Amino acid sequence: AQSVSQHNHHVILSEAASLELGCNYSYGGTVNLFWYVQYPGQHLQLLLKYFSGDPLVKGIKGFEAEFIKSKFSFNLRKPSVQWSDTAEYFCAVSGDSGAGSYQLTFGKGTKLSVIP
Amino acid sequence: DAGVIQSPRHEVTEMGQEVTLRCKPISGHDYLFWYRQTMMRGLELLIYFNNNVPIDDSGMPEDRFSAKMPNASFSTLKIQPSEPRDSAVYFCASSFFPGGYTGELFFGEGSRLTVL
Repeated sequence: AQSVSQHNHHVILSEAASLELGCNYSYGGTVNLFWYVQYPGQHLQLLLKYFSGDPLVKGIKGFEAEFIKSKFSFNLRKPSVQWSDTAEYFCAVSGDSGAGSYQLTFGKGTKLSVIP
Repeated sequence: DAGVIQSPRHEVTEMGQEVTLRCKPISGHDYLFWYRQTMMRGLELLIYFNNNVPIDDSGMPEDRFSAKMPNASFSTLKIQPSEPRDSAVYFCASSFFPGGYTGELFFGEGSRLTVL
């Protein structure tokens, strides 16, 4: 079974600080990797995704993530955070469930609070 | 285009009562997912449908939970009888494919259930 581990439950940063949120997954086969974001009071939405190719993936709002296969990691980064980045961030992985379909497994999420 | 619509947004009920959560997926999406979010377990997939047919309900916690999709534009998640440990946020999501193929699930805003 696949699993996802997010290292930090809550991260607090000042505006303009750099961000890196850790994500490690456990799965024996080929995986697809995602970061979702949930802004306060809003629904989850896709931030970025990795299927194959360049392991450095760029998403919306200046976010990027790097897939390191040897470390089973897919960390999320942003060089300079803004107050509007305050949200909860979820890493997710999908792989063949064995039933011919792929299902997303989510990490428990990391809350990011950006202080103006 | 309207997004995924869930109702009610908040529900407070007493132990033993029946709870029905409702979801209207995005028109044209042929996959529908029910997730549950708790502090302890994060986001868990309960069940998903393809073309109104339940494909995988292995995440449904027990027989007290049931889900139906009578047509392409409506699904319900029912808990009978409800228990305090069912308190959580229940999300509905829809997609053109299983989430892993495109990576993009479209989530509703969730139904927050509190069972006293």
